[in-house]
Amino acid sequence: GAGVSQSPSNKVTEKGKDVELRCDPISGHTALYWYRQSLGQGLEFLIYFQGNSAPDKSGLPSDRFSAERTGGSVSTLTIQRTQQEDSAVYLCASSLQANNSPLHFGNGTRLTVT
Amino acid sequence: RKEVEQDPGPFNVPEGATVAFNCTYSNSASQSFFWYRQDCRKEPKLLMSVYSSGNEDGRFTAQLNRASQYISLLIRDSKLSDSATYLCVVITGGGNKLTFGTGTQLKVEL
Repeated sequence: GAGVSQSPSNKVTEKGKDVELRCDPISGHTALYWYRQSLGQGLEFLIYFQGNSAPDKSGLPSDRFSAERTGGSVSTLTIQRTQQEDSAVYLCASSLQANNSPLHFGNGTRLTVT
Repeated sequence: RKEVEQDPGPFNVPEGATVAFNCTYSNSASQSFFWYRQDCRKEPKLLMSVYSSGNEDGRFTAQLNRASQYISLLIRDSKLSDSATYLCVVITGGGNKLTFGTGTQLKVEL
Protein backbone atom coordinates (compact mmCIF):
# COMPACT_ATOMS: atom_id res chain seq x y z
CA GLY A 1 0.00 0.00 0.00
CA ALA A 2 0.95 3.65 -0.21
CA GLY A 3 3.34 4.91 2.39
CA VAL A 4 3.69 8.35 3.93
CA SER A 5 3.93 10.93 1.17
CA GLN A 6 5.66 14.27 1.56
CA SER A 7 5.89 17.18 -0.82
CA PRO A 8 7.87 18.88 -2.10
CA SER A 9 10.88 16.59 -1.87
CA ASN A 10 13.19 19.58 -2.18
CA LYS A 11 12.56 23.24 -1.52
CA VAL A 12 14.97 26.13 -1.95
CA THR A 13 13.74 29.44 -0.63
CA GLU A 14 15.12 32.86 0.13
CA LYS A 15 15.57 34.03 3.67
CA GLY A 16 12.44 35.78 4.88
CA LYS A 17 10.00 33.88 2.68
CA ASP A 18 7.29 31.59 4.01
CA VAL A 19 7.22 27.90 3.11
CA GLU A 20 4.60 25.21 3.43
CA LEU A 21 5.44 21.53 3.64
CA ARG A 22 2.85 18.83 3.13
CA CYS A 23 2.46 15.36 4.59
CA ASP A 24 -0.06 12.74 3.55
CA PRO A 25 -0.01 9.94 6.14
CA ILE A 26 -0.84 6.30 5.63
CA SER A 27 -4.60 5.87 5.44
CA GLY A 28 -6.08 4.95 8.80
CA HIS A 29 -3.11 6.14 10.82
CA THR A 30 -4.35 8.35 13.61
CA ALA A 31 -1.02 9.62 14.88
CA LEU A 32 1.14 12.01 12.86
CA TYR A 33 4.54 13.43 13.76
CA TRP A 34 6.85 16.07 12.33
CA TYR A 35 10.58 15.89 12.93
CA ARG A 36 13.50 17.72 11.46
CA GLN A 37 17.04 16.53 10.96
CA SER A 38 20.05 18.64 10.22
CA LEU A 39 22.98 17.08 8.39
CA GLY A 40 24.74 14.55 10.58
CA GLN A 41 22.42 15.21 13.50
CA GLY A 42 19.70 13.25 15.25
CA LEU A 43 15.96 13.63 14.87
CA GLU A 44 14.45 16.72 16.48
CA PHE A 45 10.79 16.37 17.47
CA LEU A 46 8.60 19.24 16.32
CA ILE A 47 4.91 18.43 16.73
CA TYR A 48 2.57 15.48 17.24
CA PHE A 49 -1.08 15.01 16.29
CA GLN A 50 -3.27 12.24 17.67
CA GLY A 51 -6.81 11.95 16.37
CA ASN A 52 -8.92 14.92 17.39
CA SER A 53 -6.85 15.75 20.46
CA ALA A 54 -5.00 19.02 20.81
CA PRO A 55 -1.57 18.65 19.19
CA ASP A 56 1.61 18.49 21.22
CA LYS A 57 3.51 21.53 19.97
CA SER A 58 6.24 21.36 22.56
CA GLY A 59 8.99 20.78 19.99
CA LEU A 60 8.32 23.76 17.75
CA PRO A 61 11.48 25.91 17.94
CA SER A 62 9.79 29.29 17.55
CA ASP A 63 6.47 30.97 16.81
CA ARG A 64 7.49 31.10 13.15
CA PHE A 65 6.63 27.40 13.00
CA SER A 66 3.07 26.12 12.92
CA ALA A 67 1.30 23.00 11.75
CA GLU A 68 -2.20 21.90 10.99
CA ARG A 69 -3.83 18.59 10.37
CA THR A 70 -7.12 18.87 8.56
CA GLY A 71 -9.75 16.19 8.75
CA GLY A 72 -7.45 13.94 10.68
CA SER A 73 -5.43 13.21 7.57
CA VAL A 74 -3.18 15.57 5.61
CA SER A 75 -0.89 17.85 7.58
CA THR A 76 0.93 21.00 6.61
CA LEU A 77 3.93 22.46 8.37
CA THR A 78 4.37 26.18 7.79
CA ILE A 79 7.53 28.13 8.45
CA GLN A 80 7.17 31.86 8.29
CA ARG A 81 10.00 34.30 7.60
CA THR A 82 12.47 31.49 7.04
CA GLN A 83 15.99 31.78 8.40
CA GLN A 84 19.14 30.00 7.26
CA GLU A 85 19.14 27.90 10.44
CA ASP A 86 15.80 26.44 9.32
CA SER A 87 17.66 24.52 6.58
CA ALA A 88 17.21 20.83 7.31
CA VAL A 89 15.31 17.76 6.23
CA TYR A 90 11.76 17.83 7.54
CA LEU A 91 10.41 14.35 8.13
CA CYS A 92 6.81 13.37 8.64
CA ALA A 93 5.80 10.06 10.18
CA SER A 94 2.52 8.38 10.97
CA SER A 95 1.51 5.42 13.10
CA LEU A 96 -1.60 3.33 13.43
CA GLN A 97 -2.20 4.42 17.01
CA ALA A 98 -0.33 6.44 19.56
CA ASN A 99 0.82 3.63 21.82
CA ASN A 100 2.98 0.70 20.91
CA SER A 101 2.86 1.24 17.16
CA PRO A 102 5.99 1.93 15.14
CA LEU A 103 6.34 5.07 13.07
CA HIS A 104 6.47 5.01 9.31
CA PHE A 105 8.39 7.88 7.77
CA GLY A 106 7.97 9.75 4.54
CA ASN A 107 10.96 10.54 2.33
CA GLY A 108 11.22 14.00 3.82
CA THR A 109 11.42 17.51 2.44
CA ARG A 110 14.92 18.93 2.12
CA LEU A 111 14.62 22.64 2.85
CA THR A 112 17.43 25.01 1.93
CA VAL A 113 17.17 28.64 2.93
CA THR A 114 19.56 30.88 1.01
CA ARG B 1 21.14 11.55 32.06
CA LYS B 2 19.53 11.47 28.62
CA GLU B 3 16.24 9.63 28.24
CA VAL B 4 17.70 7.39 25.56
CA GLU B 5 21.40 6.91 24.99
CA GLN B 6 23.37 5.20 22.26
CA ASP B 7 27.07 4.91 21.55
CA PRO B 8 27.48 6.99 18.39
CA GLY B 9 30.28 4.80 17.04
CA PRO B 10 31.32 4.41 14.34
CA PHE B 11 31.65 0.67 14.65
CA ASN B 12 33.98 -0.47 11.87
CA VAL B 13 33.70 -4.22 11.35
CA PRO B 14 34.83 -6.63 8.64
CA GLU B 15 32.29 -8.35 6.47
CA GLY B 16 31.01 -11.50 8.14
CA ALA B 17 31.57 -10.23 11.67
CA THR B 18 28.99 -10.22 14.44
CA VAL B 19 28.31 -6.83 15.96
CA ALA B 20 26.04 -5.70 18.77
CA PHE B 21 24.71 -2.32 19.83
CA ASN B 22 23.02 -1.33 23.04
CA CYS B 23 20.57 1.43 23.77
CA THR B 24 19.88 2.45 27.35
CA TYR B 25 16.76 4.21 28.55
CA SER B 26 16.13 6.06 31.78
CA ASN B 27 12.40 5.67 32.36
CA SER B 28 11.47 2.32 33.85
CA ALA B 29 7.86 2.87 32.72
CA SER B 30 8.88 2.70 29.05
CA GLN B 31 6.71 0.19 27.29
CA SER B 32 7.53 -0.13 23.60
CA PHE B 33 10.84 -0.34 21.83
CA PHE B 34 11.95 -0.36 18.23
CA TRP B 35 15.10 -0.39 16.13
CA TYR B 36 15.26 1.74 13.01
CA ARG B 37 17.86 1.88 10.29
CA GLN B 38 18.78 5.12 8.57
CA ASP B 39 20.92 5.26 5.47
CA CYS B 40 22.81 8.41 4.60
CA ARG B 41 20.44 11.17 3.46
CA LYS B 42 17.44 8.86 3.69
CA GLU B 43 14.52 8.61 6.09
CA PRO B 44 14.60 6.16 9.03
CA LYS B 45 13.05 2.80 8.26
CA LEU B 46 11.68 0.36 10.78
CA LEU B 47 14.04 -2.55 11.23
CA MET B 48 12.29 -4.46 13.96
CA SER B 49 10.19 -4.20 17.07
CA VAL B 50 11.69 -5.33 20.35
CA TYR B 51 9.54 -7.69 22.37
CA SER B 52 9.96 -8.70 25.98
CA SER B 53 10.74 -12.23 24.90
CA GLY B 54 13.24 -11.05 22.32
CA ASN B 55 12.83 -11.51 18.61
CA GLU B 56 14.85 -12.60 15.66
CA ASP B 57 14.58 -11.76 11.99
CA GLY B 58 17.16 -13.51 9.88
CA ARG B 59 20.58 -12.21 10.85
CA PHE B 60 19.12 -9.67 13.26
CA THR B 61 18.24 -10.31 16.90
CA ALA B 62 16.71 -7.76 19.24
CA GLN B 63 16.48 -8.16 22.98
CA LEU B 64 15.06 -6.21 25.88
CA ASN B 65 16.56 -6.17 29.36
CA ARG B 66 14.09 -4.43 31.62
CA ALA B 67 16.11 -4.94 34.78
CA SER B 68 19.08 -3.05 33.36
CA GLN B 69 16.93 -0.84 31.14
CA TYR B 70 18.49 -1.40 27.79
CA ILE B 71 17.67 -2.91 24.43
CA SER B 72 20.17 -4.55 22.16
CA LEU B 73 20.55 -5.30 18.47
CA LEU B 74 22.78 -8.12 17.29
CA ILE B 75 23.76 -8.45 13.65
CA ARG B 76 25.34 -11.72 12.58
CA ASP B 77 27.33 -12.32 9.40
CA SER B 78 27.35 -8.61 8.65
CA LYS B 79 27.13 -7.47 5.03
CA LEU B 80 28.43 -4.36 3.35
CA SER B 81 24.80 -3.36 2.89
CA ASP B 82 24.32 -3.29 6.66
CA SER B 83 26.36 -0.09 6.79
CA ALA B 84 23.98 2.53 8.16
CA THR B 85 23.03 4.35 11.33
CA TYR B 86 20.89 2.34 13.74
CA LEU B 87 18.42 4.28 15.85
CA CYS B 88 16.59 3.00 18.89
CA VAL B 89 13.16 4.32 19.77
CA VAL B 90 11.53 4.16 23.18
CA ILE B 91 7.86 4.87 23.84
CA THR B 92 6.80 5.81 27.35
CA GLY B 93 3.11 6.38 27.91
CA GLY B 94 1.27 8.13 25.09
CA GLY B 95 2.49 8.49 21.56
CA ASN B 96 3.95 11.89 22.28
CA LYS B 97 6.30 10.29 24.74
CA LEU B 98 8.39 8.79 22.00
CA THR B 99 12.12 9.31 22.10
CA PHE B 100 14.72 8.56 19.47
CA GLY B 101 18.30 7.80 20.30
CA THR B 102 20.92 9.73 18.37
CA GLY B 103 21.98 6.58 16.56
CA THR B 104 24.94 4.25 16.26
CA GLN B 105 26.87 4.29 13.01
CA LEU B 106 27.95 0.95 11.58
CA LYS B 107 30.49 0.60 8.79
CA VAL B 108 31.01 -2.86 7.37
CA GLU B 109 34.24 -3.16 5.41
CA LEU B 110 35.75 -5.70 3.02
